[in-house]
Parts: sequence; C-alpha cells; structure tokens
Amino acid sequence: DTEVTQTPKHLVMGMTNKKSLKCEQHMGHRAMYWYKQKAKKPPELMFVYSYEKLSINESVPSRFSPECPNSSLLNLHLHALQPEDSALYLCASSQDPGIHNTGELFFGEGSRLTVL
Amino acid sequence: GESVGLHLPTLSVQEGDNSIINCAYSNSASDYFIWYKQESGKGPQFIIDIRSNMDKRQGQRVTVLLNKTVKHLSLQIAATQPGDSAVYFCADLEENAGNMLTFGGGTRLMVKP
Repeated sequence: DTEVTQTPKHLVMGMTNKKSLKCEQHMGHRAMYWYKQKAKKPPELMFVYSYEKLSINESVPSRFSPECPNSSLLNLHLHALQPEDSALYLCASSQDPGIHNTGELFFGEGSRLTVL
Repeated sequence: GESVGLHLPTLSVQEGDNSIINCAYSNSASDYFIWYKQESGKGPQFIIDIRSNMDKRQGQRVTVLLNKTVKHLSLQIAATQPGDSAVYFCADLEENAGNMLTFGGGTRLMVKP
C-alpha cells in the first residue's frame, strides 16, 4: 500500500462551522505533513509531525489545529475559517524526517475546501 | 527558506517531442532537489530527484540536470506523451536547515496531439 488517503475530497463550510480533514497512510512513514495549495500556486507547508509529535508549525493561524492520533493518522481540525482559507489541503508522508531523509514526499489527492 | 522559481509558467509541446522544463533556485546551500508532477485534481507525484554532488540523473524517459554554478535545474522529458500533461514543480531542500522542501512556482506542460 503506497497511498496516502484523504477524506473528504470536497468540503464546503460556513465561517462558524467546525469540521475536520482526515489523512491516513499505512506505509510505516514516521513523518506526516499538511500543505495548503491555492489555485495555480505551489504547495505551502503548514505543519509537520515527526514520530507523532508536532515538529514544525509554519506560523499557521490557530483556526487550523492539527492532530496526530497515531503514526498512521493525521487530522486537521478547522474552526472559524475565513473565505480566504478556501484551498486544496494536501496531506503527505515521508519515511523518516531525519537528516538522511531523501525528501521524497508521498501526497494524497487533497481535500478541496470552500469556506462560504 | 529562500524561494525556488521557474522561468516559464506554461510550456506547449507536440506529442513525441522532447520537453524541457526549467527551474532557477536561489538557495546556494540547497543540497537536494526534486521534481514533482501534479495532474489536475490530484496531489503532487514524485518524478525524480538529484543531490547536489551530481549534475545529471536519468530515470525512465526523464532526466534531471543540475547546474550549481548558475543555480539552475531542468527536467527533460523524452518523447512527450499526452499523459505527461500536468503542472511540474521543482523543490529544493537544505539538509542542515530543517530538511523541509521549498516548492517552486510550477510550470504547466501541455501536450498537443
């Protein structure tokens, strides 16, 4: 199994809603990532989990709250989002976040979020 | 980290021709580079990588060239096929600076039948 699975594929939410994006991988990878991608732009790193601990938070607003329940799962909890938060949210994983990491990221297909 | 940029936002090629996608990077300390392909509605997919101690690496129908002197990276696709139509991102990484990838702006490759 070389897949990163993301659900839901599409999500529409109001600014007062609370929702969650989910990501799952069964490759035994120990690093998991959340990226945000706006249309026609490259992915922008949001969070990195290394061995189930948050290791990088790229100054992401607190209305985005990541969670890593175990080594296979990564969630992104959403609350009080703004319309400008509408984007494709990509989850990725890599084998090892250490210095000898090849850097190869395995991406999911993304969750397309629309905030009304 | 510093940004990685691309020369051409869109490249249109005839099916069967070779494609060359270019990328300029600015971080001279970057020591690892990756090309990703992103098809419409999908996440980026790893194509090929190269370390800074190499100047060329070949895969199946793809070749990556690295010129550290001018901080330039290119992806060559041989015998371009319709299935190659996608947006291509280069990304760089500095292993002693958090090991995080920085993505470039992307080039859209369109293959004409």
